[in-house]
Amino acid sequence: DGGITQSPKYLFRKEGQNVTLSCEQNLNHDAMYWYRQDPGQGLRLIYYSQIVNDFQKGDIAEGYSVSREKKESFPLTVTSAQKNPTAFYLCASSMVTEGNEQFFGPGTRLTVL
Amino acid sequence: GQNIDQPTEMTATEGAIVQINCTYQTSGFNGLFWYQQHAGEAPTFLSYNVLDGLEEKGRFSSFLSRSKGYSYLLLKELQMKDSASYLCAVSFYGNNRLTFGKGNQVVVIP
Repeated sequence: DGGITQSPKYLFRKEGQNVTLSCEQNLNHDAMYWYRQDPGQGLRLIYYSQIVNDFQKGDIAEGYSVSREKKESFPLTVTSAQKNPTAFYLCASSMVTEGNEQFFGPGTRLTVL
Repeated sequence: GQNIDQPTEMTATEGAIVQINCTYQTSGFNGLFWYQQHAGEAPTFLSYNVLDGLEEKGRFSSFLSRSKGYSYLLLKELQMKDSASYLCAVSFYGNNRLTFGKGNQVVVIP
């Protein structure tokens, strides 16, 4: 089955620790995205990548880092520099051409204690 | 900035019709997506509008006016399972990223 997966579903970390969220897709999509969602808020774009070994900052990239070494994978690291990391993180992928819908993974809920 | 405005919450009765509005800045506008998101789950695609007019898909329809910077999603014959947040997202020329509104929470009651 084709799809996009994120793991784990729930993640707990102590303040000051870096944590990496996994995102994998087998849809053969070139573009991948990371969003953050807070209660009562829409999705805010953290980083996106349109091709392997290249990525761009979104609207709220500070305190986050990404890599795109493989087409299928786009991991997100939440660093200790992110001041308010507790949130619901969503990964998505799409074809690069305009007008193509983004397909979302199930999300990871990160809680920093 | 690229502001996307949506009302925040509405309640409706099973079997009723609701209209969810979305307004956006027209400069550089390319197309508009509607997504449904149940609590704690991933958004799922509902519709995509790039031309003016109404697109109908079963119980759901979406309308776009490019000149007015306005779209709406119409949900007919509401069912309990339609209780969710409905997100509009706009794509602008020059890249394939989306800018999302805050979402409109629809609560369906018996």
